[in-house]
Amino acid sequence: DGGITQSPKYLFRKEGQNVTLSCEQNLNHDAMYWYRQDPGQGLRLIYYSQIVNDFQKGDIAEGYSVSREKKESFPLTVTSAQKNPTAFYLCASSLQGTSNQPQHFGDGTRLSIL
Amino acid sequence: AQRVTQPEKLLSVFKGAPVELKCNYSYSGSPELFWYVQYSRQRLQLLLRHISRESIKGFTADLNKGETSFHLKKPFAQEEDSAMYYCALSGYNQGGKLIFGQGTELSVKP
Repeated sequence: DGGITQSPKYLFRKEGQNVTLSCEQNLNHDAMYWYRQDPGQGLRLIYYSQIVNDFQKGDIAEGYSVSREKKESFPLTVTSAQKNPTAFYLCASSLQGTSNQPQHFGDGTRLSIL
Repeated sequence: AQRVTQPEKLLSVFKGAPVELKCNYSYSGSPELFWYVQYSRQRLQLLLRHISRESIKGFTADLNKGETSFHLKKPFAQEEDSAMYYCALSGYNQGGKLIFGQGTELSVKP
């Protein structure tokens, strides 16, 4: 099931550095999402995009940025403003950005601080 | 406030025993409810959703609007059911975003 591909699998960030996590999908889905997973906290929404060239902030957008220039791609940048970036990041997509559509997830990227 | 609560972090049962993973939600409206599962070394995947009213891998979940619950049940647990289970809510006209519970780890012992 290579529908959603996240890369890299592991990423290390130095202090003051921006890093970008890649998310690509070949499912022809309109909507894409970024979640952060911390132990004991489930998944929390960072950003989401219902359509190309449009995106909205989720619950924990501070310190992150995204772009949606192509339908199949939704990269996430973790900026130096994000003071606690160590986490597991999951990208997801759904056919449409509506409440009844299930989401398909990637394998995730684990980000750590050097 | 929209919220999903899974009160149990860990649920441990023996093979063949019934299992119920609890999920309660807070939402002012009619939400869509989902159960997602993550097996060891696999990606998070949809298990079932309330609108489908189907049984997947022997699991069922009934939406109880009065109690605002969406508990996941299986009459006879199998060892291969051991996994992390997440209950999630999606609200109307909110871009399809999901609000997740904290997750329950199910461990089925032989």
